[in-house]
Amino acid sequence: DVKVTQSSRYLVKRTGEKVFLECVQDMDHENMFWYRQDPGLGLRLIYFSYDVKMKEKGDIPEGYSVSREKKERFSLILESASTNQTSMYLCASYKGQGANTEAFFGQGTRLTVV
Amino acid sequence: AQRVTQPEKLLSVFKGAPVELKCNYSYSGSPELFWYVQYSRQRLQLLLRHISRESIKGFTADLNKGETSFHLKKPFAQEEDSAMYYCALRSAGRRALTFGSGTRLQVQP
Repeated sequence: DVKVTQSSRYLVKRTGEKVFLECVQDMDHENMFWYRQDPGLGLRLIYFSYDVKMKEKGDIPEGYSVSREKKERFSLILESASTNQTSMYLCASYKGQGANTEAFFGQGTRLTVV
Repeated sequence: AQRVTQPEKLLSVFKGAPVELKCNYSYSGSPELFWYVQYSRQRLQLLLRHISRESIKGFTADLNKGETSFHLKKPFAQEEDSAMYYCALRSAGRRALTFGSGTRLQVQP
């Protein structure tokens, strides 16, 4: 059973703080992603990585950075948290390429920036 | 650029009624299309993918390239189908999934 685990379910941070969201998967997946999920907007891609130390910007990368030092771990960093980054953050991973691949999601981290 | 549109934010039906959740996409190539579902307090999970032409939990979806649609259908809705449904697209050359804004399905008793 594939497991994608996000380190926190709920986080409350202050404006201006540096925030780290961690994601770990245990199935040797090359591809890992960070999305934010907002009502009425669906899931929007922040960053993704298809290999260790490789990263690509998604559709809304501003204010975020990522780190992938090990294959199983993909970290999302909010350099200076702002209230408009209050959201649900979802990590996902999958193996390989092709139309049959299935993405597996973490349980989500609800971040509130005050 | 690729885009996925789900025009309905909320779809409310009675148990036993047919369900159709709409999904339209814009992409010039051959897309890979998926439906993901999120039940209350559970993580997002794959429901079905177009390549498999499968029926999962009574749901089917057919890719219509002419209409650029991938609507999700079920002939008889059940209360346990109540959830948030997302249509997603993956294109050649972009590994990430592009999601629609989601449709909440409410099945009333």
